[in-house]
Amino acid sequence: AQRVTQPEKLLSVFKGAPVELKCNYSYSGSPELFWYVQYSRQRLQLLLRHISRESIKGFTADLNKGETSFHLKKPFAQEEDSAMYYCALTGSGNTGKLIFGQGTTLQVKP
Amino acid sequence: DGGITQSPKYLFRKEGQNVTLSCEQNLNHDAMYWYRQDPGQGLRLIYYSQIVNDFQKGDIAEGYSVSREKKESFPLTVTSAQKNPTAFYLCASSGDRRGVPGELFFGEGSRLTVL
Repeated sequence: AQRVTQPEKLLSVFKGAPVELKCNYSYSGSPELFWYVQYSRQRLQLLLRHISRESIKGFTADLNKGETSFHLKKPFAQEEDSAMYYCALTGSGNTGKLIFGQGTTLQVKP
Repeated sequence: DGGITQSPKYLFRKEGQNVTLSCEQNLNHDAMYWYRQDPGQGLRLIYYSQIVNDFQKGDIAEGYSVSREKKESFPLTVTSAQKNPTAFYLCASSGDRRGVPGELFFGEGSRLTVL
């Protein structure tokens, strides 16, 4: 079955500390993985996707097929990073229908 | 201002009543989606439509119905058959060729409360 698991409901760190939001997935084919973010009083929006291999707002995520993981990392957290983060996947060729994880709230304390 | 507009933002319903949530987009996207967001459960797909006059059930379609008569519009009806309808509903669209594949554009959501 296709599934995305985010084991942490809440992750609380101090400003300047490293951040790692965990995401594990279950998929039988070749998935495409994404991270979406929802800041307070804003719409859910795409943060980054693994195919692009990009760094957005200092965040990076590497797809590890062996461990079926797509953890989101940032070396130095900022207060403005506080938000709800969702990991999501879709099968290759079907890039619209996304399966989301349960979400992790990141709280960056001053 | 381009984007996705959901209405109403807040809706109260008595048990046994059907209610329709509106979703309109002016992004010229082919695909549209309805998700339900519950605390601790993330987003779950209710229905999706990849083209006008066609739609498919998602993971939790029971008790819901949709239509896609126009490209811009994808209304969701929460019927009295839905056992636990109180939730936050998110509409999304995707598919503009200039966009990033897999990038969904979301509305602000509609919060439905059943009294």
